[in-house]
Parts: sequence; C-alpha cells; structure tokens
Amino acid sequence: GENVEQHPSTLSVQEGDSAVIKCTYSDSASNYFPWYKQELGKGPQLIIDIRSNVGEKKDQRIAVTLNKTAKHFSLHITETQPEDSAVYFCAASINSSASKIIFGSGTRLSIRP
Amino acid sequence: GAVVSQHPSRVICKSGTSVKIECRSLDFQATTMFWYRQFPKQSLMLMATSNEGSKATYEQGVEKDKFLINHASLTLSTLTVTSAHPEDSSFYICSGNRALGRSLGTQYFGPGTRLLVL
Repeated sequence: GENVEQHPSTLSVQEGDSAVIKCTYSDSASNYFPWYKQELGKGPQLIIDIRSNVGEKKDQRIAVTLNKTAKHFSLHITETQPEDSAVYFCAASINSSASKIIFGSGTRLSIRP
Repeated sequence: GAVVSQHPSRVICKSGTSVKIECRSLDFQATTMFWYRQFPKQSLMLMATSNEGSKATYEQGVEKDKFLINHASLTLSTLTVTSAHPEDSSFYICSGNRALGRSLGTQYFGPGTRLLVL
C-alpha cells in the first residue's frame, strides 16, 4: 500500500522568510496530492492540492511542486506570517470519489516574530 | 466552499457509556465519508471508510463492534463509540469526498470532536 514520508517534523523560520516541507510517496499509481493545515484543536483545512498532470501549482504565498519520476512533492510558503504557524500534513491518493488518502506524519511550523 | 460539520464538538462521558458523533456535509453530497482518530502531536489515523447505503470498511486493528458507523444519507454519517473506556479518549475527525463535479475526490474535513472518557 501507499506510504507517505514527510520532513522535517518541526520547522522554525523567521517571519518573512520562506518555509519548505518535503514529502515522498511510494505508490506510483497515486495521482492526487493535497496539503492540509491544522491549527490546534481544529480539523485539517485543505490549503492547496496538485494532480499528477501538472508539476507546479501556486496560490498567492503558497506553492506546491511535484516530481512524479522521483515521487517527491513539496510545499513552499513564502513571506511567512505568524498566522502560518500550524501543523502541515501532506497526503497522497488515487483520485476518485471513494479513495482514501494517506497522510504524512506532519510538520509543526513555527514562525518567529 | 465545501463545509463539513461535526456534532458535538466535545463530549465528556463516563466509562461504559456510548457516545454518538454526527458528521454532516453541509453544501455538497458525499457518497463516501471517512472517520479518523488523532492522538496528541500525531498524524490522523484512518479508522474506517463509510459508504452511503452500505456497510463501512474498517482499517486493520479497528474494532467494528466498538466503533459503529452508519452512513444514512449522502450528507450524514455517524460514529458511535460503544461502551467507551478511558483509552478511547481522543480527537475524532470526519471527512467527506465530493461525489460529483469539480474537485472530485477532494476530502473536506470536519472540525473534530474531542472525546474524554472518565
């Protein structure tokens, strides 16, 4: 089955700097890669996703890149702000209405003022 | 957007009682809903996949008689923790997959239910 690994487990960056979180997956059949942000005591919130027919997607300060050959995908947050502090999860799945997604272990991002 | 609600948001119960948690997709139809459990500082652990009108599929190691799941409609799934014990205390989160249209297969998560069993 699919296995998703995520690094680093914790990340601290200065406000205004960039943060990068990296994930790898094992199942070459996976074609959908969402990223979730989870704040303390809340459910995960989808912040961006990418499908395997594209290599990069950007939404304001957030971008995701995908390398299908290497089975790597990454989240990039630029111009970080205090409200970006949260736990971020990458995930992988085979895109359909019934597919379960496999989560990475999470990255706790802290933004230093 | 796609909104998923959960009720209650938190519950405290005595050991041996049963607790029901509701998960609703408010603005989309979800033929498939998922139930997760999350311990402090850990990732989400999938417990079961709930399909509308059929029996749930449980992940390995999850007791189906302890965690009863019912998916009565395209917008409602319930999780009942039967005869709860302190070790069942956790954060339970549901999600729904869009059944139709754009963002097919995207999972949207509820806000979670914190269960504390005394």
